[in-house]
Amino acid sequence: GENVEQHPSTLSVQEGDSAVIKCTYSDSASNYFPWYKQELGKRPQLIIDIRSNVGEKKDQRIAVTLNKTAKHFSLHITETQPEDSAVYFCAASMGTSYDKVIFGPGTSLSVIP
Amino acid sequence: DGGITQSPKYLFRKEGQNVTLSCEQNLNHDAMYWYRQDPGQGLRLIYYSQIVNDFQKGDIAEGYSVSREKKESFPLTVTSAQKNPTAFYLCARSGRTDYGYTFGSGTRLTVV
Repeated sequence: GENVEQHPSTLSVQEGDSAVIKCTYSDSASNYFPWYKQELGKRPQLIIDIRSNVGEKKDQRIAVTLNKTAKHFSLHITETQPEDSAVYFCAASMGTSYDKVIFGPGTSLSVIP
Repeated sequence: DGGITQSPKYLFRKEGQNVTLSCEQNLNHDAMYWYRQDPGQGLRLIYYSQIVNDFQKGDIAEGYSVSREKKESFPLTVTSAQKNPTAFYLCARSGRTDYGYTFGSGTRLTVV
């Protein structure tokens, strides 16, 4: 089955700096890669996703890149703000409507004011 | 609530007791999922259902059971066979054109 690894497990950055979280996946059939943000005690929320026919996607201060050949994908957050502090999960699935999603172990991001 | 509701928010279970966690969605979505989250850990799939009256085991199904008698409801029972049930339980749904999950607000289960 699919296995998703994520690094680093914790990340601290100064406010205004950039943060990068990297993930790898094992199943070459996976073609949908969502990212979730979970604030303390709350539910994970989808913040951005990418499909395998796209190499990069941006939404304001966040961007995802995908290297399908190497089975790597990354989350980039620019101009970090304290409210970006949370746990971020990468995930992978086959990409049809009802496929189960396999999550990475998470990265705890702290943005220091 | 994103069209998906979990209850209760907090639940306490005594040793040897079965408890049932509720998950309801009102968006007519076919697929529903249960995940377990331990402190500082990722999300592990317990069970999922893609259609009424059908469900599949995830990676950690032992000690849990589910039912899907109605499209809008996917309850999870934590049985006495689950030896370490203390965790945060999250239910999710996805639809035909909505590939990402929407999660419920979760149930925090504690063994007392």
